[in-house]
Amino acid sequence: EIVLTQSPGTLSLSPGERATLFCRASQSVSSNYLAWYQQKGGQAPRLLIFGASSRATGIPDRFSGSGSGTDFTLTINRLEPEDFAMYYCQQYGSSPRTFGGGTKVEIK
Amino acid sequence: EIQLVQSGAEVKKPGESLKISCKGSGYKFHNFWIGWVRQVPGQGLEWMGVIYPGDSDTKYSPSFEGHVTISVDKSNNTAHLQWSSLRASDSAMYFCARQFGNSGYDYPFKHWGQGTLVTVSS
Repeated sequence: EIVLTQSPGTLSLSPGERATLFCRASQSVSSNYLAWYQQKGGQAPRLLIFGASSRATGIPDRFSGSGSGTDFTLTINRLEPEDFAMYYCQQYGSSPRTFGGGTKVEIK
Repeated sequence: EIQLVQSGAEVKKPGESLKISCKGSGYKFHNFWIGWVRQVPGQGLEWMGVIYPGDSDTKYSPSFEGHVTISVDKSNNTAHLQWSSLRASDSAMYFCARQFGNSGYDYPFKHWGQGTLVTVSS
């Protein structure tokens, strides 16, 4: 099973700043099948990025993903108030699919 | 519009059985893998397993295999998650979710249900 480790655990930033979130896999993610999700409160997660760098439909272009192999990054440029939330990475290239432990982006 | 509507919150005792549901609409139900994700309050997301309604091919996480059963009722476009004997540690929010694409198994979850809260307590 691929273990995904997200860092940092919490990111304290102000609106307008840039957020950089990391996701490291215990082994190479097949075909860079790495996704990022946003979750607010008790709501269902929302798919942001798939294939490491492709934005899902309707996702603002301030969200971008990069990386390959075992190291992946989610960047949020110019944080908006609605971006303060939990973020999870997930690999879907190997079975079982697995999620990272999450990064909380909070208002400083 | 693609929708996944889950059944309501449940309160059960340890050892009881339970089956929760997730009804899909707005798309060809048979053609997309649909799965379940657990979230213990205050904790992260855990991938439990998925099923392909077309042929009921099912894949489980080893962490959940043998303790839960994922099934579908194609006649009602509904996926189910069931337990034969609940434990207190099964208390969590359970989300169903549909994969993004339909050309195979290798897709993330794009469409999500609203979640079903399961509480197991004596």
